[in-house]
Amino acid sequence: DAKTTQPTSMDCAEGRAANLPCNHSTISGNEYVYWYRQIHSQGPQYIIHGLKNNETNEMASLIITEDRKSSTLILPHATLRDTAVYYCIVRLFPFGNEKLTFGTGTRLTIIP
Amino acid sequence: EAGVTQSPTHLIKTRGQQATLRCSPISGHTSVYWYQQALGLGLQFLLWYDEGEERNRGNFPPRFSGRQFPNYSSELNVNALELEDSALYLCASSLGAEAFFGQGTRLTVV
Repeated sequence: DAKTTQPTSMDCAEGRAANLPCNHSTISGNEYVYWYRQIHSQGPQYIIHGLKNNETNEMASLIITEDRKSSTLILPHATLRDTAVYYCIVRLFPFGNEKLTFGTGTRLTIIP
Repeated sequence: EAGVTQSPTHLIKTRGQQATLRCSPISGHTSVYWYQQALGLGLQFLLWYDEGEERNRGNFPPRFSGRQFPNYSSELNVNALELEDSALYLCASSLGAEAFFGQGTRLTVV
């Protein structure tokens, strides 16, 4: 049973901000929103996570709506190397406490 | 600092054989997770080990098993291999909030 829904694919022009949405309408109060990305056939790479406040790190920003039912991952200046599948997951802390499935994610293509 | 390492990178087996995949977590990480990613699909949770014990397993048959050693490294064993077991098997380790993945073992069953 999927806990998150994401668009199957998105395109973004190089140098522009890439905004990847995620719906998690059944999120519970103690579940975190995590984002990972997977570049072709490599292991997933951690990007960012948050509980209810917006978060920013050197890779991206995470905007979580006030009701926590959706979030947006923002890559501020997309480069060709950001082409990947992006996974949004919700989970309890610690990682692995549930039979967690990543789903199929959003395939983001950065266009030169 | 070394990341999560998995071996072998590629593995080819015939149907009915057994496969053993290995994972070394990041130093200090006590939890190891195994995932299966079949071609074109998302990651499916297989197993979670912490402090040497199996803590949770996904919806996979018993022929998927594993263990965690005292040094926190882990093995995933797949018995009686079937063609549909062909996939990328990913290992991740965690000490808390974040989990870091290895590059995976690509298992091909012929």
